[in-house]
Amino acid sequence: DIQMTQSPSTLSASIGDRVTFTCRTSQSIGHWLAWYQQKPGKAPKLLIYKASSLETGVPSRFSASGSGTDFTLTISSLQPDDFATYYCQQYNGFPYTFGQGTKLEI
Amino acid sequence: QGQLQESGPGLVKPSETLSLTCTVSGDSITDYYWTWIRQSPGQGLEWIGYSHYTGSTKYNPSLKSRVTISLDTSKNQFSLKLTSVTAADTAVYYCAREGTAVGMAVWGQGITVTVSS
Repeated sequence: DIQMTQSPSTLSASIGDRVTFTCRTSQSIGHWLAWYQQKPGKAPKLLIYKASSLETGVPSRFSASGSGTDFTLTISSLQPDDFATYYCQQYNGFPYTFGQGTKLEI
Repeated sequence: QGQLQESGPGLVKPSETLSLTCTVSGDSITDYYWTWIRQSPGQGLEWIGYSHYTGSTKYNPSLKSRVTISLDTSKNQFSLKLTSVTAADTAVYYCAREGTAVGMAVWGQGITVTVSS
């Protein structure tokens, strides 16, 4: 299985901050990576697919980049609604696998 | 945008079969890859597998011998069956819609399944 490592596990930030999450894979996955946001008690929400493509309806303060084994998700200016847990997921090889998540807290 | 809704028993006895259904509205089940994911309490997300109406199915090898995902085109539903469950299968189960190479854009709200006698 392709192992996904997200860092940091927890990130403390304030409204208006610029934050960056990192996801590293155990082998190259090209650009077959998605990012999800999950709030407590809710299903994950797709933010980014193909490493850098913004899902329809997702605010433009979210952006992402990367290819191969190293990927990042950036929020340019934190809003109150952004405090959640963020997961990366690879869909280059089976089984699809998720990172362990980064919890973004105030 | 389609919507998904999981249904099924919230409590299953050990060694029995977990059966869940996902009802699809707003989309045709003949499109997309129909996926199950689970999340154990306090744990991360685990991809269970998917099925496509062409007959293509993929399962997580960690569950492969116990899992079946099938589509019912007449009802626009898909289902998950997981046999011989143990406490380790206790989780929130989500159904999701995956487009070709574009991630899982639509999710159900999730259903909590507890395995206990």
